[in-house]
Amino acid sequence: QSALTQPASVSGSPGQSITISCTGTSSDVGSYNLVSWYQQHPGKAPKLMIYEGSKRPSGVSNRFSGSKSGNTASLTISGLQAEDEADYYCCSYAGSSTFDVVFGGGTKLTVL
Amino acid sequence: QVQLVQSGAEVKKPGASVKVSCKASGYTFTSYYMHWVRQAPGQGLEWMGIINPSGGSTSYAQKFQGRVTMTRDTSTSTVYMELSSLRSEDTAVYYCTKSAADAFDIWGQGTMVTVSS
Repeated sequence: QSALTQPASVSGSPGQSITISCTGTSSDVGSYNLVSWYQQHPGKAPKLMIYEGSKRPSGVSNRFSGSKSGNTASLTISGLQAEDEADYYCCSYAGSSTFDVVFGGGTKLTVL
Repeated sequence: QVQLVQSGAEVKKPGASVKVSCKASGYTFTSYYMHWVRQAPGQGLEWMGIINPSGGSTSYAQKFQGRVTMTRDTSTSTVYMELSSLRSEDTAVYYCTKSAADAFDIWGQGTMVTVSS
């Protein structure tokens, strides 16, 4: 399975909204409502931000939201804050005959 | 609280094997699948495989088939990931991560594995 496609970087000013796209295929993102998103600060383990496309785990700010259209999933962060600056990765189940998971290449979010 | 604690950093020579452990606590170990994900320096996340702590069944990413073995010890709530025939490209941080609702909700702190002659 090929990695999901994410923009290498996005940026925004505090208070603004940004959206990170994650493009896959009909074999992964398009076939399953199982896209998740992870935030990773430098030197830290990833943190789950969105699961099943649009659900937020307990404790994750409602400024984070997820959606999907066709083969593309999106993560939107509203009301940008300095602490949102991090790398973001999308992930999708991609199995058919065997269990398989694929990640996106990651997007560096810079808060200007 | 729910946590995963991994073993410490390793330095290995090319061709050797490494075995990383991940001890779970704070939840029923056999109720949730465990995955291994690695991250090379400055690179993205890469899924390696999954183990069912209950029965021990596994499924590995095609890239690692034949080189990776995931096992578990239910008496100590620990999963293990062994990678053999190491090469420089295997230098990475290796994470264990618990899955729930088809996502990775809890992550270990990571184990740095360096492959160098």
